[in-house]
Amino acid sequence: AQTVTQSQPEMSVQEAETVTLSCTYDTSESDYYLFWYKQPPSRQMILVIRQEAYKQQNATENRFSVNFQKAAKSFSLKISDSQLGDAAMYFCAYRRLGQNFVFGPGTRLSVLP
Amino acid sequence: DSGVTQTPKHLITATGQRVTLRCSPRSGDLSVYWYQQSLDQGLQFLIQYYNGEERAKGNILERFSAQQFPDLHSELNLSSLELGDSALYFCASSVGGLNSGANVLTFGAGSRLTVL
Repeated sequence: AQTVTQSQPEMSVQEAETVTLSCTYDTSESDYYLFWYKQPPSRQMILVIRQEAYKQQNATENRFSVNFQKAAKSFSLKISDSQLGDAAMYFCAYRRLGQNFVFGPGTRLSVLP
Repeated sequence: DSGVTQTPKHLITATGQRVTLRCSPRSGDLSVYWYQQSLDQGLQFLIQYYNGEERAKGNILERFSAQQFPDLHSELNLSSLELGDSALYFCASSVGGLNSGANVLTFGAGSRLTVL
């Protein structure tokens, strides 16, 4: 079974600085999808960014970008110019066709003013 | 507003009772997923429906059941409730089924269940 690992239970970053959250996954598939979801204190789950494994180009959404290393099975999220509103729980997720989403345990990010 | 509507937002009940959580998916989405999130824990997948049919089952207890109706809304029924069932229950929806590459989960705001 596929597993998703987020080795950093908690992280903190100074406002306006850059932080990188780690995610690794285990799969023998070559075609799959990866996601980062954010869960702020409101507990609403919000999609941050999505990456197709067949695309070599790293996905970017404004201040959020990923570093997708397929061979290493690594999918890290970089948040630039961190803002107080970025404080949240971040979940990495994996999915392949025909299968359901597999979520990691999450990383709690604190943003320090 | 994500477009996925969950009711009720909060629910407090006693052990042994039964509750029903309701979810209306985003317009155009055919799949509904249910997840359980206990305090400060990750997401546990419970069950998925596509266009009225059950398509995938996760760690769902026998005391729990769900269905998706012809209008695509879904209900999660929790019975013989125990203290450990206290959690945030999320509904999510997506356009396609498991074989759709375009699938992205859109989550509702969750239903917080407290069992006393």
